[in-house]
Parts: sequence; structure tokens; C-alpha cells
Amino acid sequence: DQQVKQNSPSLSVQEGRISILNCDYTNSMFDYFLWYKKYPAEGPTFLISISSIKDKNEDGRFTVFLNKSAKHLSLHIVPSQPGDSAVYFCAAKAGGFKTIFGAGTRLFVKA
Amino acid sequence: DVKVTQSSRYLVKRTGEKVFLECVQDMDHENMFWYRQDPGLGLRLIYFSYDVKMKEKGDIPEGYSVSREKKERFSLILESASTNQTSMYLCASNPSQGGGYTFGSGTRLTVV
Repeated sequence: DQQVKQNSPSLSVQEGRISILNCDYTNSMFDYFLWYKKYPAEGPTFLISISSIKDKNEDGRFTVFLNKSAKHLSLHIVPSQPGDSAVYFCAAKAGGFKTIFGAGTRLFVKA
Repeated sequence: DVKVTQSSRYLVKRTGEKVFLECVQDMDHENMFWYRQDPGLGLRLIYFSYDVKMKEKGDIPEGYSVSREKKERFSLILESASTNQTSMYLCASNPSQGGGYTFGSGTRLTVV
């Protein structure tokens, strides 16, 4: 039973356009959400996070939106760059130590 | 530059062997984690530790054990390797107050 779902295995976007990566969750106890980025042959790196008391958090080209009523969050990358091509993991925590990860979405940004 | 270091990038082991995967962090983090990454399944938590000599089972602990004798080191042990343990293994850490993880580069283990 996947508590964090990324239903799109891959996404292709033109350089300069917006990339939107989506994530749905089922556990209403999740109170903290994170996005990680992973290049091949490297470990994931933390990208951006959002607390459940907020609905938006922005960091440069990256913005995360949280819709608690829909149990949905999204990561927007504007403008997209070829170096953004990677696998993006959505993750969630319900207090405590454990972080639950989604299956990942592979983003291709075409030059 | 803060780091989580995994001792091996690639390992090939035989079925039934005892396998040790080592992880060291230099950030004085209290919490350390072992995940495995498989296509279509994302990252799944095997074990974690929130203090020296403390360990907790994650979501898929069967066939694995861990050791944390020192704060900076967290070892994952495959007691008797099986082919279904072929995977990418990722170690991570974060401080006790939480926040994002710092991950190692991963160990790709193949069990033949």
C-alpha cells in the first residue's frame, strides 16, 4: 500500500518551459513534505520542503504547492534547464523519524 | 563539504554469503537510515537508528540486520544474501531535530 504516489513515471519538457511534477498521498497524518532530486550513480539530494501549515514554499526556480484537502502536492520548476534532468522523489513524514518516499518521476528537459 | 560515505560503489556477492555494507557520516548526525531503491518502488526503509546502539525496523527489515557501535558509522548486514536482495542501497543521515536527509552515493549490490 503506497502512501506516497507519483503516478507519472516520466515527464518530458522543453528547455525554458515549466516542469510540473505531481505527488499524491493517502495518510492525513503527514505533516512535512520534501522533494529530492537524484542523478544517475549519485544519492538523492534534498531540494525543497514544505510544512503542512503552509500551502506554498519557494526557493529560486523551485516552488512546492500543497493542497491538503486534495492530499496533493506539486513541484514547479521555472524555467526548466537541461541540468534539471533527473529523477525526482516526493517524500512525506508524519512526525517521528520515518520518511516515506514515492516511486519517483524521471524528468527530461530537452535543449 | 559534509558527507555520507558508503564504502563500496559496486559489489557482487554469491547467494548465501554474509554481506556488510558500511556507511560513515561526518556531520555528527544522530539519525542514520538504510534504504533500498528499486525501479517502480522508490526508496524503501530497511532500518534506522536514532542513537548509538539503538536501532528500529523500517518497512522491509526481513533478511537484514544493522549495527551502530559509533555515532558516525551505521552498518547494514545481509545475513545470507539472496538474489532478491539485488538492489541499490542508500545510506542517509539527518540531525535529531529533523529536516532533509543527506544521502551517500549508494552501493549497487548484485547477488548471483
